[in-house]
Amino acid sequence: AQSVSQHNHHVILSEAASLELGCNYSYGGTVNLFWYVQYPGQHLQLLLKYFSGDPLVKGIKGFEAEFIKSKFSFNLRKPSVQWSDTAEYFCAVFSSGTYKYIFGTGTRLKVLA
Amino acid sequence: NAGVTQTPKFQVLKTGQSMTLQCAQDMNHEYMSWYRQDPGMGLRLIHYSVGAGITDQGEVPNGYNVSRSTTEDFPLRLLSAAPSQTSVYFCASSLTVTDTQYFGPGTRLTVL
Repeated sequence: AQSVSQHNHHVILSEAASLELGCNYSYGGTVNLFWYVQYPGQHLQLLLKYFSGDPLVKGIKGFEAEFIKSKFSFNLRKPSVQWSDTAEYFCAVFSSGTYKYIFGTGTRLKVLA
Repeated sequence: NAGVTQTPKFQVLKTGQSMTLQCAQDMNHEYMSWYRQDPGMGLRLIHYSVGAGITDQGEVPNGYNVSRSTTEDFPLRLLSAAPSQTSVYFCASSLTVTDTQYFGPGTRLTVL
């Protein structure tokens, strides 16, 4: 069955530290990949997405993600986090084969000022 | 645009009761979906719709019904509430199935 794994459930960083959140998926067909973020008390919103082309995609607020097809991975990165990045981050995969979205279990990031 | 709206924000039900969670969007989006969010389990797709009159099951459809009579509305019905349905429910919409999904504020449901 199709699945999405986010290996880090809780991450605590100090401001200015670098961030990398892992995301691996199990589906071998054509997929579209997304990272969504949920700030405290706010709606889920899109950070970035990958459909095709350059495997390094840039999103809002300085986030980027790299699609590595051979590793079935779509890791999220930010060179220098800020306190305002404290949130829960979700990786999501849309499969054109099953026509369904699968979300990962989420990673709670806490950035210490 | 109001975006995606959900009502109610909070609801407490007794086991066996039924209710409908409302979801509406004013962006003329074709794709709408319902998710539940549980601690440690992320978001799981309950049902989705690719347009008025068309619905399909997601990952966890049991105990829930949906209908899509208009483009704007996508209500989720709990037929006979169970404690296992205690969760936060999110509705989302997007222009097409692979476009950015816009999420509503969520409904926090407790079933006693």
